[in-house]
Amino acid sequence: EDQVTQSPEALRLQEGESSSLNCSYTVSGLRGLFWYRQDPGKGPEFLFTLYSAGEEKEKERLKATLTKKESFLHITAPKPEDSATYLCAVKDSNYQLIWGAGTKLIIKP
Amino acid sequence: DSGVTQTPKHLITATGQRVTLRCSPRSGDLSVYWYQQSLDQGLQFLIQYYNGEERAKGNILERFSAQQFPDLHSELNLSSLELGDSALYFCASSVDRTPAYNEQFFGPGTRLTVL
Repeated sequence: EDQVTQSPEALRLQEGESSSLNCSYTVSGLRGLFWYRQDPGKGPEFLFTLYSAGEEKEKERLKATLTKKESFLHITAPKPEDSATYLCAVKDSNYQLIWGAGTKLIIKP
Repeated sequence: DSGVTQTPKHLITATGQRVTLRCSPRSGDLSVYWYQQSLDQGLQFLIQYYNGEERAKGNILERFSAQQFPDLHSELNLSSLELGDSALYFCASSVDRTPAYNEQFFGPGTRLTVL
């Protein structure tokens, strides 16, 4: 069964303390892996799409990487405004999107 | 601003009632997706429409239905509402002209409260 698992469920960091969020997946025929950011009560905001193992994308303090089994969202020197829930989703061979439960990131000043 | 609009922003109604949520996709996007997100829960995919036709169904209750009109806007109809239907309802759109162009862009959501 296709599955997407995000870890940890929650992560508390001090401002400036770099870390990584994990998204592991088991799908047949990956058609794309997506990262989103969601603030409380708001719609998810698209961040990155990754299509093949070895691919990397960056945006400000965020960098997403992809292997054949997982993706990492690295956050470098985070600021309080980076606090949000980060969602990972994977599109399978039938082009159906499977969502992870998210990682709630809290950055303390 | 993603370019996806949803109305209304908030909706308060009573059990047993029927409501309609509206979504306008980004210009040029052919697909519309509907999601439900209960308090502190993940996104639950409900249904997808592509260029006016239903393309995929998720965990959508029989009391819920949707349609996509010729101008590509979509409506989600929720009937015989129950307390448990209280949630944020999101609409997302994507181009989907080829499988590669499949990022979904989300609207701001409609918060439904059933009393």
